[in-house]
Amino acid sequence: GQQLNQSPQSMFIQEGEDVSMNCTSSSIFNTWLWYKQDPGEGPVLLIALYKAGELTSNGRLTAQFGITRKDSFLNISASIPSDVGIYFCAGDYYGGSQGNLIFGKGTKLSVKP
Amino acid sequence: EAGVTQSPTHLIKTRGQQATLRCSPISGHTSVYWYQQALGLGLQFLLWYDEGEERNRGNFPPRFSGRQFPNYSSELNVNALELEDSALYLCASDGLAGAYYNEQFFGPGTRLTVL
Repeated sequence: GQQLNQSPQSMFIQEGEDVSMNCTSSSIFNTWLWYKQDPGEGPVLLIALYKAGELTSNGRLTAQFGITRKDSFLNISASIPSDVGIYFCAGDYYGGSQGNLIFGKGTKLSVKP
Repeated sequence: EAGVTQSPTHLIKTRGQQATLRCSPISGHTSVYWYQQALGLGLQFLLWYDEGEERNRGNFPPRFSGRQFPNYSSELNVNALELEDSALYLCASDGLAGAYYNEQFFGPGTRLTVL
């Protein structure tokens, strides 16, 4: 089945640093979504992207829908401790007709010791 | 406005038993999706219900089944439980009129442990 390659798998952040992660696919996607999941909770939708080239911000978060429609990135500027958690990219390449989203395996953000 | 709710929060069963998980979508949402998240893994699509009908299912055996009620709440049933069914089961909803179709909002999940 379809897979999303999300990288990096994990990273350590120091308060104030900028963070970047991305997702790639071998297929063209119609929608890219970015979620954050805290331990023991469900994923929370951060940003949704609908058009190739679209750049959308949500506070310190910025995400872009790649021009080729096969990739997306998420940037977090000036990270703070509450940014730790697992970030998932998700895509829809059926245009909603199949219902399910395809999820990446996640990028785990931890605080640098 | 209340988000997606799920019950129970935790469920402990033994091999061979049946488990029933419940989900209430956001008010006005007509679609409910179920996902399985095994420890350390990403989310795997299980089932999609819309307007009371099963619209699509993921690559899971038939012992994973469910239904959607007239009030759009949903139930996931897992029969003949196996140890590898231990996971966080997440429910999501979408379908609010005027919203883009696949912007799914998740509940907190039900942690199923099979002993």
